[in-house]
Amino acid sequence: GENVEQHPSTLSVQEGDSAVIKCTYSDSASNYFPWYKQELGKGPQLIIDIRSNVGEKKDQRIAVTLNKTAKHFSLHITETQPEDSAVYFCAASIGDQFYFGTGTSLTVIP
Amino acid sequence: SAVISQKPSRDICQRGTSLTIQCQVDSQVTMMFWYRQQPGQSLTLIATANQGSEATYESGFVIDKFPISRPNLTFSTLTVSNMSPEDSSIYLCSVEGRGSNEKLFFGSGTQLSVL
Repeated sequence: GENVEQHPSTLSVQEGDSAVIKCTYSDSASNYFPWYKQELGKGPQLIIDIRSNVGEKKDQRIAVTLNKTAKHFSLHITETQPEDSAVYFCAASIGDQFYFGTGTSLTVIP
Repeated sequence: SAVISQKPSRDICQRGTSLTIQCQVDSQVTMMFWYRQQPGQSLTLIATANQGSEATYESGFVIDKFPISRPNLTFSTLTVSNMSPEDSSIYLCSVEGRGSNEKLFFGSGTQLSVL
């Protein structure tokens, strides 16, 4: 089955700097790649996603890139703010099956 | 997106007891999913709940331990039975987005602690 690896597990950045979280997947049949943000005591919130026929997608300060050949995708957060502090999960999807990464705890230092 | 209400939001339970978690969605959805998130870990699918049929359980999860009901297209329950401290986790209800079965949305979760 699909295997999703996520790095780093923890990340600290200064406010205003950029943060990058990377994920790799193993199954070339995966065709949908969402990213979730989970704040303490809350459920995961879908923040951005990308399909396999697209290489990059941007939404304000958040962008996701996908390299199908290398089977990796990344989340980029620019101009980080303290409210970006949370745990971020990547996922790869084949049909109704979702496979999640192990999460990255992002801390933005004011 | 979908608005998913889950309750209770948290509970502290005694070993050997059972807890039923409720999930209500603001629109009709075909498939509802139950996930477990153990402390500091990722999300693990417990089962898929389909209306009108038995839930489909993932490897390592059984119906006797995690019975699921799905009486209609907007509601589901997950029961954690005969609890032990190892069942302490966040339990999450999720659904596929209306009009876009690729997108998965989550409820706010139930934080369960078993003493």
